[in-house]
Amino acid sequence: AQKITQTQPGMFVQEKEAVTLDCTYDTSDQSYGLFWYKQPSSGEMIFLIYQGSYDEQNATEGRYSLNFQKARKSANLVISASQLGDSAMYFCAMRRPSGGYNKLIFGAGTRLAVHP
Amino acid sequence: DTGVSQNPRHKITKRGQNVTFRCDPISEHNRLYWYRQTLGQGPEFLTYFQNEAQLEKSRLLSDRFSAERPKGSFSTLEIQRTEQGDSAMYLCASSLVSGPSGNTIYFGEGSWLTVV
Repeated sequence: AQKITQTQPGMFVQEKEAVTLDCTYDTSDQSYGLFWYKQPSSGEMIFLIYQGSYDEQNATEGRYSLNFQKARKSANLVISASQLGDSAMYFCAMRRPSGGYNKLIFGAGTRLAVHP
Repeated sequence: DTGVSQNPRHKITKRGQNVTFRCDPISEHNRLYWYRQTLGQGPEFLTYFQNEAQLEKSRLLSDRFSAERPKGSFSTLEIQRTEQGDSAMYLCASSLVSGPSGNTIYFGEGSWLTVV
């Protein structure tokens, strides 16, 4: 069965430092997509970054980059130069081709706290 | 605001009452999704529409839950005879069928339901 594992319930980082949030996934599919979302206390799920399983380059979006290691089935999110506004829950998710790419499977999330 | 819009944002209801949530997706997004999120967990898939057709339903969607998207634009999620276990945040999301942006699923701010 497909599964997303985020082993860090909570992380702390000093402002302006980089932080890595871990995500491992389990799937037998060859084609899939990996996502990271940020969820502040307001509740909205904010899309951060996407990585396709066939993408050869690691995805980057501004201060966010995805360290994709396909053989290890990991898709860690790296946030560079942390800001106070980065404090939130972060969710890793996978979209499967089965069923037409219709659903995301989420991990349990990591709560990030950025300290000044 | 051109994002996914949900209302009401918060709803407190007595057990046994019916509630309805509305979702307005991003304009021209033909895919619409409903997810449920309980405290401390990642969102779980409930159902999915492509245009007005409901193409997939999770086993989480009991007979008391019904979702519609009558004209392929906005959607409603109704919960009949609410139970305390229905207390959660209900997230709506939308995406395009294909194209580079089709890889991205955009979420709304969610509708919090508390059943007392």
